Amino acid sequence: AQSVTQLGSHVSVSEGALVLLRCNYSSSVPPYLFWYVQYPNQGLQLLLKYTTGATLVKGINGFEAEFKKSETSFHLTKPSAHMSDAAEYFCAVSGTGTASKLTFGTGTRLQVTL
Amino acid sequence: NAGVTQTPKFQVLKTGQSMTLQCAQDMNHEYMSWYRQDPGMGLRLIHYSVGAGITDQGEVPNGYNVSRSTTEDFPLRLLSAAPSQTSVYFCASSYSRVEKEKLFFGSGTQLSVL
Repeated sequence: AQSVTQLGSHVSVSEGALVLLRCNYSSSVPPYLFWYVQYPNQGLQLLLKYTTGATLVKGINGFEAEFKKSETSFHLTKPSAHMSDAAEYFCAVSGTGTASKLTFGTGTRLQVTL
Repeated sequence: NAGVTQTPKFQVLKTGQSMTLQCAQDMNHEYMSWYRQDPGMGLRLIHYSVGAGITDQGEVPNGYNVSRSTTEDFPLRLLSAAPSQTSVYFCASSYSRVEKEKLFFGSGTQLSVL
């Protein structure tokens, strides 16, 4: 069984401020972890993913996430928010087998203010 | 390159009506799937297919049917629509069942059942 908890359904930051979106996971097997972004009226796009190897993963648009096994976390960060980052962000977890399913969190809506 | 195309973008149905949501991809992807997105619940997997002629159930399959006669197309059928099926539906595809988590999403179909 696997699950994802995203802390905070809405996060608001000022333009230029640090973005931190929290994700904790539960998995009975070593997880694959993902962040997807959904811009208004669009489908989701893969932002970054962790499978194995380096625990700090860099994605598109300046985002990165760090896999911390001891904390069962995969928080998403960006040093300086831009207005174009306003979107909904979904954390997701999967097992490593080909039969495993992708389980999404409930999403965090990021608002960026001037 | 069109990617994943979903039609229609919006649909209103009466309870008991049937309809088919269309999904087509032009990337020769092996893996295709349908999700529904509901407020506060993230995305939930309805059905998926790992190749032409092969389909399987996801987390919430009841009330939905699928078929995969070609690699390109993966329609979702609602046989007798219910208000509980009011949702935003996303079709997604991936290169292979191994890379299934790296999903490419369509722009969604917003369905209302009255």
